[in-house]
Amino acid sequence: GIQVEQSPPDLILQEGANSTLRCNFSDSVNNLQWFHQNPWGQLINLFYIPSGTKQNGRLSATTVATERYSLLYISSSQTTDSGVYFCAVKSTGTASKLTFGTGTRLQVTL
Amino acid sequence: SAVISQKPSRDICQRGTSLTIQCQVDSQVTMMFWYRQQPGQSLTLIATANQGSEATYESGFVIDKFPISRPNLTFSTLTVSNMSPEDSSIYLCSDGPLLLRGLGKNIQYFGAGTRLSVL
Repeated sequence: GIQVEQSPPDLILQEGANSTLRCNFSDSVNNLQWFHQNPWGQLINLFYIPSGTKQNGRLSATTVATERYSLLYISSSQTTDSGVYFCAVKSTGTASKLTFGTGTRLQVTL
Repeated sequence: SAVISQKPSRDICQRGTSLTIQCQVDSQVTMMFWYRQQPGQSLTLIATANQGSEATYESGFVIDKFPISRPNLTFSTLTVSNMSPEDSSIYLCSDGPLLLRGLGKNIQYFGAGTRLSVL
């Protein structure tokens, strides 16, 4: 099946700093979503972005499907950004199955 | 965005017992999905709950351990049977494509999860 690797696995930032999270996938996809899992375990949808670039406030994402990677940018980070960030993809050949990446654990400190 | 209600939100259970988790979505969907997240790990798909047919299980998961029901297009249950401490995880349900064609939903949403601890 498709492999989804995220980097870095862990990240510590001071409040106000910027960061870039990466998601690499091993096969062509027709669906890519970024999620934020807060400390209570809730998965929050950030972006649906199988290709192109999107922005939502301090967050933006870019997916280059032909090169099989996606990037999530966090600017002016805040302590509320702490948690785990997952990308998840659906391979073109596997219909509705959403496969999650390994995750990036982010801690934003004061 | 979809509204997905999951309960219980958490439970502490004794080894050897079973727990049934319920998931309700606010729209009719063709499939619902159940995931497991072990401590410190990513999410792994357990099975796809199909309305009107047997659930489809992923490699490493079996029906005897994780029986699933899907009585209608908005509801599903997952049972964790004969529990052991290794079953301590967060269990999450998710919605799938909308039943009604033409509305084309690609975004998948998740319930708040059930945090299970087995003693």
